[in-house]
Amino acid sequence: AQTVTQSQPEMSVQEAETVTLSCTYDTSESDYYLFWYKQPPSRQMILVIRQEAYKQQNATENRFSVNFQKAAKSFSLKISDSQLGDAAMYFCAYRSGPGVSNYQLIWGAGTKLIIKP
Amino acid sequence: GAVVSQHPSWVICKSGTSVKIECRSLDFQATTMFWYRQFPKQSLMLMATSNEGSKATYEQGVEKDKFLINHASLTLSTLTVTSAHPEDSSFYICSARDQRLAGFIPPENEQFFGPGTRLTVL
Repeated sequence: AQTVTQSQPEMSVQEAETVTLSCTYDTSESDYYLFWYKQPPSRQMILVIRQEAYKQQNATENRFSVNFQKAAKSFSLKISDSQLGDAAMYFCAYRSGPGVSNYQLIWGAGTKLIIKP
Repeated sequence: GAVVSQHPSWVICKSGTSVKIECRSLDFQATTMFWYRQFPKQSLMLMATSNEGSKATYEQGVEKDKFLINHASLTLSTLTVTSAHPEDSSFYICSARDQRLAGFIPPENEQFFGPGTRLTVL
């Protein structure tokens, strides 16, 4: 069975600085997707970024980028120029690749990100 | 992007009563919806996968008779907490999978999340 581990319960960063959130996963599958979701105080889950395992290039979305190390089964999220609105819980999630029928997401425990003004 | 709504956003009920939570996909058809439970400061716990027109698939440890799921149409799934007790108090979140993305590899974002429902059982 697949597992997702986020070892940092809480991280803090100064506004405008850069922070990296860690995520490791375990799987025997070769094709899968990885996601970072943000859950602000409103509790609405928001997709931040996604990565397809078959792509070697790291995904980027504006100030958000990932460091995807497939061999090491590591998927960290880097937030550049941190803003107050980035304060939230961040969850790393895994989904099996095409051909799997259930489309379920496997979630990490989450990392609370605090932005210091 | 696609929108998923949940109703109610919060509910308070007495112990022993039943509560129904609705999850609707507003601008797309969802063959599959997921129901999650989230305790404070914890991750999402998948309760069940709801497929339109068929019985829901429950995760291990989730009581089927306690948490009734109905997915009668492509835009609506309901979760009914029967004979609710204080330990059922939690935040319930649904997500819906846009079937238009089926077969599209890779999907941009195949699950869309509702805003959640906070249930408090007194």
